[in-house]
Amino acid sequence: KNEVEQSPQNLTAQEGEFITINCSYSVGISALHWLQQHPGGGIVSLFMLSSGKKKHGRLIATINIQEKHSSLHITASHPRDSAVYICAVSIRGSNYKLTFGKGTLLTVNP
Amino acid sequence: GAVVSQHPSWVICKSGTSVKIECRSLDFQATTMFWYRQFPKQSLMLMATSNEGSKATYEQGVEKDKFLINHASLTLSTLTVTSAHPEDSSFYICSARRTVTNEKLFFGSGTQLSVL
Repeated sequence: KNEVEQSPQNLTAQEGEFITINCSYSVGISALHWLQQHPGGGIVSLFMLSSGKKKHGRLIATINIQEKHSSLHITASHPRDSAVYICAVSIRGSNYKLTFGKGTLLTVNP
Repeated sequence: GAVVSQHPSWVICKSGTSVKIECRSLDFQATTMFWYRQFPKQSLMLMATSNEGSKATYEQGVEKDKFLINHASLTLSTLTVTSAHPEDSSFYICSARRTVTNEKLFFGSGTQLSVL
Protein backbone atom coordinates (compact mmCIF):
# COMPACT_ATOMS: atom_id res chain seq x y z
CA LYS A 1 0.00 0.00 0.00
CA ASN A 2 1.35 3.44 -0.94
CA GLU A 3 2.06 5.81 1.89
CA VAL A 4 0.32 8.56 -0.09
CA GLU A 5 -2.96 7.88 -1.87
CA GLN A 6 -4.70 10.33 -4.17
CA SER A 7 -8.16 10.31 -5.63
CA PRO A 8 -9.42 10.48 -8.23
CA GLN A 9 -6.70 9.37 -10.63
CA ASN A 10 -8.40 11.17 -13.51
CA LEU A 11 -10.85 14.02 -13.42
CA THR A 12 -12.62 15.77 -16.28
CA ALA A 13 -14.57 18.94 -15.64
CA GLN A 14 -16.31 21.69 -17.53
CA GLU A 15 -14.97 25.20 -17.31
CA GLY A 16 -16.33 26.95 -14.25
CA GLU A 17 -16.86 23.85 -12.15
CA PHE A 18 -15.62 23.49 -8.58
CA ILE A 19 -12.99 20.77 -8.34
CA THR A 20 -11.77 18.74 -5.38
CA ILE A 21 -8.78 16.42 -5.31
CA ASN A 22 -8.18 14.30 -2.22
CA CYS A 23 -5.03 12.98 -0.60
CA SER A 24 -4.69 10.52 2.27
CA TYR A 25 -1.48 9.45 3.91
CA SER A 26 -0.54 6.80 6.41
CA VAL A 27 2.63 8.11 8.05
CA GLY A 28 3.56 10.87 10.44
CA ILE A 29 4.45 13.97 8.50
CA SER A 30 6.05 17.34 9.05
CA ALA A 31 4.36 18.89 6.02
CA LEU A 32 2.19 18.13 3.02
CA HIS A 33 2.79 19.61 -0.42
CA TRP A 34 0.51 20.13 -3.37
CA LEU A 35 2.35 20.30 -6.67
CA GLN A 36 1.25 21.03 -10.21
CA GLN A 37 2.94 19.31 -13.16
CA HIS A 38 2.26 20.54 -16.68
CA PRO A 39 2.56 18.39 -19.82
CA GLY A 40 6.15 19.52 -20.42
CA GLY A 41 7.07 18.07 -17.07
CA GLY A 42 7.93 21.17 -15.09
CA ILE A 43 6.65 21.22 -11.52
CA VAL A 44 5.33 24.14 -9.53
CA SER A 45 4.85 23.96 -5.82
CA LEU A 46 1.36 25.24 -5.02
CA PHE A 47 1.15 24.84 -1.27
CA MET A 48 3.03 23.52 1.70
CA LEU A 49 0.77 22.79 4.67
CA SER A 50 1.32 21.58 8.18
CA SER A 51 -2.11 22.52 9.53
CA GLY A 52 -5.34 24.28 8.68
CA LYS A 53 -6.02 25.89 5.36
CA LYS A 54 -4.26 28.01 2.75
CA LYS A 55 -5.68 30.00 -0.17
CA HIS A 56 -3.98 31.40 -3.24
CA GLY A 57 -6.20 32.89 -5.89
CA ARG A 58 -8.68 30.22 -6.97
CA LEU A 59 -6.83 27.46 -5.18
CA ILE A 60 -7.55 26.32 -1.64
CA ALA A 61 -5.74 23.59 0.26
CA THR A 62 -6.84 22.10 3.55
CA ILE A 63 -5.34 19.51 5.83
CA ASN A 64 -6.71 17.50 8.74
CA ILE A 65 -3.77 16.13 10.67
CA GLN A 66 -5.88 13.86 12.91
CA GLU A 67 -7.55 12.21 9.91
CA LYS A 68 -4.33 12.25 7.81
CA HIS A 69 -6.20 13.81 4.92
CA SER A 70 -5.81 16.82 2.67
CA SER A 71 -7.88 18.32 -0.11
CA LEU A 72 -7.05 20.66 -2.96
CA HIS A 73 -9.93 22.72 -4.28
CA ILE A 74 -10.07 24.75 -7.46
CA THR A 75 -12.89 27.25 -7.77
CA ALA A 76 -14.17 28.47 -11.15
CA SER A 77 -11.96 26.02 -13.02
CA HIS A 78 -10.41 27.04 -16.31
CA PRO A 79 -8.83 25.05 -19.17
CA ARG A 80 -5.42 26.39 -18.15
CA ASP A 81 -5.83 24.52 -14.86
CA SER A 82 -5.47 21.28 -16.83
CA ALA A 83 -2.42 19.51 -15.40
CA VAL A 84 -1.38 16.69 -13.11
CA TYR A 85 -1.79 17.58 -9.45
CA ILE A 86 0.49 15.73 -7.08
CA CYS A 87 0.23 15.34 -3.34
CA ALA A 88 3.53 14.76 -1.54
CA VAL A 89 4.47 14.47 2.10
CA SER A 90 7.61 15.21 4.06
CA ILE A 91 7.83 12.32 6.46
CA ARG A 92 8.58 13.46 9.98
CA GLY A 93 12.30 13.50 10.66
CA SER A 94 13.27 12.99 7.02
CA ASN A 95 14.74 16.44 6.38
CA TYR A 96 12.39 17.54 3.61
CA LYS A 97 12.55 14.29 1.62
CA LEU A 98 9.27 13.94 -0.24
CA THR A 99 7.12 10.87 -0.78
CA PHE A 100 4.75 11.35 -3.69
CA GLY A 101 1.26 10.29 -4.59
CA LYS A 102 0.60 9.05 -8.11
CA GLY A 103 -1.04 12.27 -9.16
CA THR A 104 -4.44 13.31 -10.45
CA LEU A 105 -4.78 14.17 -14.12
CA LEU A 106 -7.20 17.08 -14.38
CA THR A 107 -8.69 18.06 -17.70
CA VAL A 108 -10.89 21.14 -17.82
CA ASN A 109 -12.87 21.46 -21.02
CA PRO A 110 -14.02 24.83 -22.37
CA GLY B 1 10.11 34.36 -6.53
CA ALA B 2 12.86 31.82 -6.17
CA VAL B 3 13.98 30.17 -9.40
CA VAL B 4 15.68 26.86 -10.00
CA SER B 5 17.23 26.38 -13.42
CA GLN B 6 17.82 22.88 -14.78
CA HIS B 7 19.85 22.16 -17.89
CA PRO B 8 19.57 20.57 -20.36
CA SER B 9 15.82 20.24 -20.90
CA TRP B 10 16.29 17.15 -22.99
CA VAL B 11 19.18 15.02 -24.11
CA ILE B 12 19.62 12.07 -26.41
CA CYS B 13 22.74 9.99 -26.01
CA LYS B 14 24.22 6.70 -27.09
CA SER B 15 24.34 3.74 -24.78
CA GLY B 16 27.56 3.69 -22.76
CA THR B 17 28.11 7.44 -22.69
CA SER B 18 27.78 9.72 -19.67
CA VAL B 19 25.37 12.59 -19.32
CA LYS B 20 25.59 15.50 -16.88
CA ILE B 21 22.52 17.40 -15.71
CA GLU B 22 22.87 20.70 -13.86
CA CYS B 23 20.56 22.20 -11.29
CA ARG B 24 21.14 25.81 -10.24
CA SER B 25 19.39 28.00 -7.73
CA LEU B 26 19.47 31.38 -9.41
CA ASP B 27 18.59 33.80 -6.64
CA PHE B 28 19.04 31.94 -3.40
CA GLN B 29 21.44 29.62 -1.63
CA ALA B 30 20.37 26.02 -1.48
CA THR B 31 22.07 23.95 1.19
CA THR B 32 20.02 20.94 0.14
CA MET B 33 18.97 19.82 -3.32
CA PHE B 34 17.02 16.72 -4.25
CA TRP B 35 17.12 14.62 -7.40
CA TYR B 36 14.07 12.70 -8.60
CA ARG B 37 13.27 10.38 -11.44
CA GLN B 38 9.93 9.86 -13.13
CA PHE B 39 9.09 7.08 -15.56
CA PRO B 40 6.13 7.59 -17.93
CA LYS B 41 2.78 7.64 -16.16
CA GLN B 42 4.41 6.93 -12.80
CA SER B 43 4.93 9.03 -9.74
CA LEU B 44 8.13 10.87 -8.94
CA MET B 45 10.70 8.89 -7.00
CA LEU B 46 13.40 10.46 -4.89
CA MET B 47 16.84 9.29 -6.00
CA ALA B 48 19.15 11.17 -3.68
CA THR B 49 19.61 14.12 -1.38
CA SER B 50 22.48 16.42 -2.21
CA ASN B 51 24.05 18.47 0.55
CA GLU B 52 26.52 21.23 -0.17
CA GLY B 53 30.06 20.24 0.70
CA SER B 54 29.29 16.65 1.65
CA LYS B 55 28.47 13.33 0.04
CA ALA B 56 25.01 12.78 -1.31
CA THR B 57 22.61 10.44 0.43
CA TYR B 58 21.12 7.89 -1.94
CA GLU B 59 17.78 6.17 -1.64
CA GLN B 60 17.60 2.42 -1.47
CA GLY B 61 18.08 0.81 -4.86
CA VAL B 62 19.83 3.80 -6.45
CA GLU B 63 23.41 3.04 -7.48
CA LYS B 64 25.70 5.78 -6.28
CA ASP B 65 28.44 4.81 -8.73
CA LYS B 66 26.04 5.10 -11.63
CA PHE B 67 24.34 8.33 -10.60
CA LEU B 68 27.12 10.65 -9.48
CA ILE B 69 25.99 13.73 -7.58
CA ASN B 70 28.16 16.72 -6.87
CA HIS B 71 27.04 19.73 -4.83
CA ALA B 72 30.17 21.82 -4.84
CA SER B 73 28.55 25.18 -4.18
CA LEU B 74 25.45 26.59 -2.55
CA THR B 75 23.89 27.24 -5.95
CA LEU B 76 24.82 24.24 -8.06
CA SER B 77 24.24 20.51 -7.92
CA THR B 78 25.00 18.15 -10.79
CA LEU B 79 23.77 14.65 -11.56
CA THR B 80 25.90 12.56 -13.90
CA VAL B 81 24.40 9.41 -15.35
CA THR B 82 27.45 7.27 -16.10
CA SER B 83 27.56 4.57 -18.76
CA ALA B 84 23.96 5.23 -19.62
CA HIS B 85 21.72 2.39 -20.74
CA PRO B 86 18.30 2.52 -22.41
CA GLU B 87 16.66 1.64 -19.09
CA ASP B 88 18.04 4.91 -17.68
CA SER B 89 15.80 6.78 -20.10
CA SER B 90 13.54 8.81 -17.87
CA PHE B 91 12.54 12.28 -16.75
CA TYR B 92 14.95 13.66 -14.15
CA ILE B 93 14.04 16.68 -12.04
CA CYS B 94 15.70 18.50 -9.18
CA SER B 95 14.38 20.59 -6.36
CA ALA B 96 16.08 22.95 -4.00
CA ARG B 97 15.40 24.10 -0.50
CA ARG B 98 16.32 27.52 0.76
CA THR B 99 17.92 27.71 4.16
CA VAL B 100 14.74 29.34 5.46
CA THR B 101 12.72 26.78 7.39
CA ASN B 102 9.09 25.88 6.79
CA GLU B 103 9.19 26.91 3.18
CA LYS B 104 8.05 25.06 0.12
CA LEU B 105 10.52 23.50 -2.28
CA PHE B 106 11.42 24.97 -5.67
CA PHE B 107 11.64 22.67 -8.65
CA GLY B 108 13.69 22.75 -11.81
CA SER B 109 12.00 22.30 -15.19
CA GLY B 110 13.26 18.76 -15.60
CA THR B 111 15.44 16.88 -18.08
CA GLN B 112 14.12 14.23 -20.42
CA LEU B 113 16.89 11.71 -21.04
CA SER B 114 16.66 9.27 -23.93
CA VAL B 115 19.39 6.66 -24.24
CA LEU B 116 19.60 4.93 -27.62
